[in-house]
Amino acid sequence: GENVEQHPSTLSVQEGDSAVIKCTYSDSASNYFPWYKQELGKRPQLIIDIRSNVGEKKDQRIAVTLNKTAKHFSLHITETQPEDSAVYFCAARISSGSARQLTFGSGTQLTVLP
Amino acid sequence: DSGVTQTPKHLITATGQRVTLRCSPRSGDLSVYWYQQSLDQGLQFLIQYYNGEERAKGNILERFSAQQFPDLHSELNLSSLELGDSALYFCASSVTPDPDTEAFFGQGTRLTVV
Repeated sequence: GENVEQHPSTLSVQEGDSAVIKCTYSDSASNYFPWYKQELGKRPQLIIDIRSNVGEKKDQRIAVTLNKTAKHFSLHITETQPEDSAVYFCAARISSGSARQLTFGSGTQLTVLP
Repeated sequence: DSGVTQTPKHLITATGQRVTLRCSPRSGDLSVYWYQQSLDQGLQFLIQYYNGEERAKGNILERFSAQQFPDLHSELNLSSLELGDSALYFCASSVTPDPDTEAFFGQGTRLTVV
């Protein structure tokens, strides 16, 4: 079936370094790609999203890139800080029967080491 | 605070029992989504309602059912509970029926089946 694959499952970086998380999707009709951050014991929260009409979007230290041809998108976090430590989920709108639903990747546990 | 309210926060019950999880969406949001997050797992889409009608169905077991009431709150009913149903259940809401706008998550209900 249609799905979203996310890599890596865990990622450790030194404070100040960059972190990159990658996702691939199978539904070529997908046109909306959000990223959610979930801190331990808390709700997922949207941190950035991108639509298929653009290739890159930035918000301060966070950026997302999209390659529709290759069907993959990535989250880039620069100058990482300890408070960036969390689980990050990518998602994409995927066809499911007559409706499109948001399908999440399996998550990446990011640890920023001080 | 996302504006999405879920009750109860924690629930402990025995195998074979039935429970009801409740979700109140953000004011003005007509769409409600239910997700299951098992330990160290991603967010599995269960079901979506929009303005009282079922909109999309994901990997929801036949033992599970949901509904959305005229006041737009939603309930997820889980019956004949098994140990494997222990998980964090999230509700999310959004304005539109299509999942291409930000979905706001509640704090979740942690269900433990013993």
